[in-house]
Amino acid sequence: DGGITQSPKYLFRKEGQNVTLSCEQNLNHDAMYWYRQDPGQGLRLIYYSQIVNDFQKGDIAEGYSVSREKKESFPLTVTSAQKNPTAFYLCASSIHQKGTEAFFGQGTRLTVV
Amino acid sequence: GIQVEQSPPDLILQEGANSTLRCNFSDSVNNLQWFHQNPWGQLINLFYIPSGTKQNGRLSATTVATERYSLLYISSSQTTDSGVYFCAVVANFGNEKLTFGTGTRLTIIP
Repeated sequence: DGGITQSPKYLFRKEGQNVTLSCEQNLNHDAMYWYRQDPGQGLRLIYYSQIVNDFQKGDIAEGYSVSREKKESFPLTVTSAQKNPTAFYLCASSIHQKGTEAFFGQGTRLTVV
Repeated sequence: GIQVEQSPPDLILQEGANSTLRCNFSDSVNNLQWFHQNPWGQLINLFYIPSGTKQNGRLSATTVATERYSLLYISSSQTTDSGVYFCAVVANFGNEKLTFGTGTRLTIIP
């Protein structure tokens, strides 16, 4: 089946630890994105990538890092520098960035304990 | 950057009722999407509609790009329609990111 797979679905992390969230797509899409959602809020863009080996910061990139070594993969690392990492994280992809439909994965719920 | 406002923020309706959700945006766009976020958090694509009108079953959407708004219509509401509806846009100029509105929370009562 074609789609976007995020893993894990739930993640618990101790304060001070880095953690990496996985996002894989088999849709042959060029663009990929990471969003953060806090309870009762909309989605805010963390990072996005238009092509392999290239990515740009979104609105709330501080405390996060990404890589885009393969077209189908766009992992997000939540570092210890992120002051309030507990949130719902959603990954998306689209054929190209501008003016094309974006599709989302099922999300990863990260809790810092 | 572009601003996206959705109204109303909350809507409670009886099963079978019709509803209209609105999305206003502050600049010209080349992409507008409507999503339904289900209780498990997944975003379901409803419409990709930068302009014009589309229908899919009980749902339809209209975007009037020149007046910078879009409407989502839900007819004969069912309890499974409950959830949060988001509008998201990409501005024609500047940063090419998908910007979300704050959503409309729809609750359908049996």
